[in-house]
Amino acid sequence: QPVLTQSSSASASLGSSVKLTCTLSSGHSSYIIAWHQQQPGKAPRYLMKLESSGSYNKGSGVPDRFSGSSSGADRYLTISNLQSDDEADYYCETWGSNTRGVFGGGTKLTVL
Amino acid sequence: EVQLVESGGGLVQPGGSLRVSCAASGFTFSSYEMDWVRQAPGKGLEWVSYISSSGGSIYYADSVKGRFTISRDNAKNALYLQMNSLRAEDTAIYYCARVVSGSYHYVDYWGQGTLVTVSS
Repeated sequence: QPVLTQSSSASASLGSSVKLTCTLSSGHSSYIIAWHQQQPGKAPRYLMKLESSGSYNKGSGVPDRFSGSSSGADRYLTISNLQSDDEADYYCETWGSNTRGVFGGGTKLTVL
Repeated sequence: EVQLVESGGGLVQPGGSLRVSCAASGFTFSSYEMDWVRQAPGKGLEWVSYISSSGGSIYYADSVKGRFTISRDNAKNALYLQMNSLRAEDTAIYYCARVVSGSYHYVDYWGQGTLVTVSS
């Protein structure tokens, strides 16, 4: 069963870039993950699927400012030209071989 | 446009039962696998249950196994979660989610959620 580890918080200035990390547990570095955004008081929104190769596929309407990349067991979500409405919780998700869904604990992003 | 609309949430006493529903539209519901995901107040997302497109494969989180039952009616484009023996720790917003699968599995659309509160 994979475990997804995320930092609890991150912050960056308006107009700058930020890179959020989701780390897969040992033995699961090949797993595909998905990134989701949850703005305050709203339902989550799918952002992208991200493979171990770094290839990613974004959801409908996701701005070009959002991109993904990978290195080993780490999966990254980079947001460039930060906007105020990027302030949200960001979750990574994967699926275990034991047929169980897994979410990371989420990263709360503050835009300064 | 893909739409997932949950309903049926509310206040229920510990030990009680509740069924939440999800009405799907904008896609061929019978071709997609579905998940239920929940979020306790102030907490992160927790996967609850999965059902295959035909309903032939079903999985549950250990925290709800034996108490919750997922089902679907493809003729009605509807997904259900029957929740029995409810506990205070089941209090959460319950989200219906469409799944993309293959050699992977992830959510690509979310509903707006329905709040279930378990309290006396």
